[in-house]
This record gives sequence, structure tokens and C-alpha cells, in this order.
Amino acid sequence: DAMVIQNPRYQVTQFGKPVTLSCSQTLNHNVMYWYQQKSSQAPKLLFHYYDKDFNNEADTPDNFQSRRPNTSFCFLDIRSPGLGDAAMYLCATSRVAGLQETQYFGPGTRLLVL
Amino acid sequence: DAKTTQPPSMDCAEGRAANLPCNHSTISGNEYVYWYRQIHSQGPQYIIHGLKNNETNEMASLIITEDRKSSTLILPHATLRDTAVYYCIARSSGSARQLTFGSGTQLTVLP
Repeated sequence: DAMVIQNPRYQVTQFGKPVTLSCSQTLNHNVMYWYQQKSSQAPKLLFHYYDKDFNNEADTPDNFQSRRPNTSFCFLDIRSPGLGDAAMYLCATSRVAGLQETQYFGPGTRLLVL
Repeated sequence: DAKTTQPPSMDCAEGRAANLPCNHSTISGNEYVYWYRQIHSQGPQYIIHGLKNNETNEMASLIITEDRKSSTLILPHATLRDTAVYYCIARSSGSARQLTFGSGTQLTVLP
């Protein structure tokens, strides 16, 4: 089945230690997103790639970076995780077509910062 | 995106139909109605979307009123695994941008 895959499902890191979360998709979608979701809050968009074009949200901290080496893979890098970065990180993909744009989410990676 | 209003919570007996309402009285002509759900500790799951006509897929049916000011998501035979927060989103997009989730409806399916 075509899908969005995130590994690992749970990631533990230490305060200040760089961490990378990964996302892959078999949907051949041209857009890949990274959202951050903290407990009891709605998902918040960090940035997205439209094909190779990177689009950062205005309030995304510099501590968060992303790479998309090819259509199928996208990575979220947190350079120096703080305790406040503990959250669920959600990857989503879509194909923009006219006025419709359905986003499909992966299962998420829950990040714990010690 | 047009504002949507949903009841904060609903219960449904297992095996019965779950009817989840959504009000979107300010929806514009080019905005679609999308439904997602989020089961605890999982990523949001796309359910269905529509513009004007009623839609049905393997998961659910979407009924949109003729004036498009409200809609109802129907899960025809709810199971315990359908317990989740359900989000109704009114949106048009010719480009990639944030999907804005409101507060949603917590549906609890009771045995």
C-alpha cells in the first residue's frame, strides 16, 4: 500500500545533542511537510518542500532544519534539542492539484529530550 | 480558510451509525470540506472530502447541505477503533500550505 513512513516511532535524545528524524513516502507526492504537535495542541507546520523548493514558516526556530535528498525522503534535523522540543513530529505529503490538496500523514515520531 | 464549528464531544454505541456534524456557515464557493481524525498518539488520518455533492468511500460518507453551510460525517457502523478526535476543515488550496486543525469532536464509541 502507498503510504507515509516515519522512523523511528519513538526517539530519545539528550539536551543539546543533535537528532535527525526521517520520513519516506511511496505516494510520489511533490510536497512533503513537517509538523510539530505538542500535547493537547493542534499540529503546527514547521516547513515544507514543494519539489526541491524549501519553504520555512516564519516562526520556525533556526534550531530546526530539513533536507530532502530526493522525492521519496525528507529529514528533520534538530541541531540542539531543548526540553521544549519534546513533541510528536508528523510528516505529511500531498500532491497539489487545482484547488484540492489532500495531505496524508505518517504515524509520527515522538521525541523525548532528557 | 472558513471557520468551522463542531461539538466538543459525542458518544456512539458500537455497531450504530455515528453522525458527526460540522458548521461552516462562511464557507466560500471554492473551499472544500475535509474530514480527518486523530487517534490518540497517532498521526492524523484523512477520511474524506467534498465540495458540493455527497461523497462516500470505504471509511465514511459525507453529506453536505445544499447551501453548503454545514455537513455531516457518517460512520455507518462504528467500532471501538473509531474512537478518536474528528476534525472538519474548510479549505481551498492551489498551493502547499498549513492544514489548520480546529478543536474537533472527541468521538467515543461505547461497547
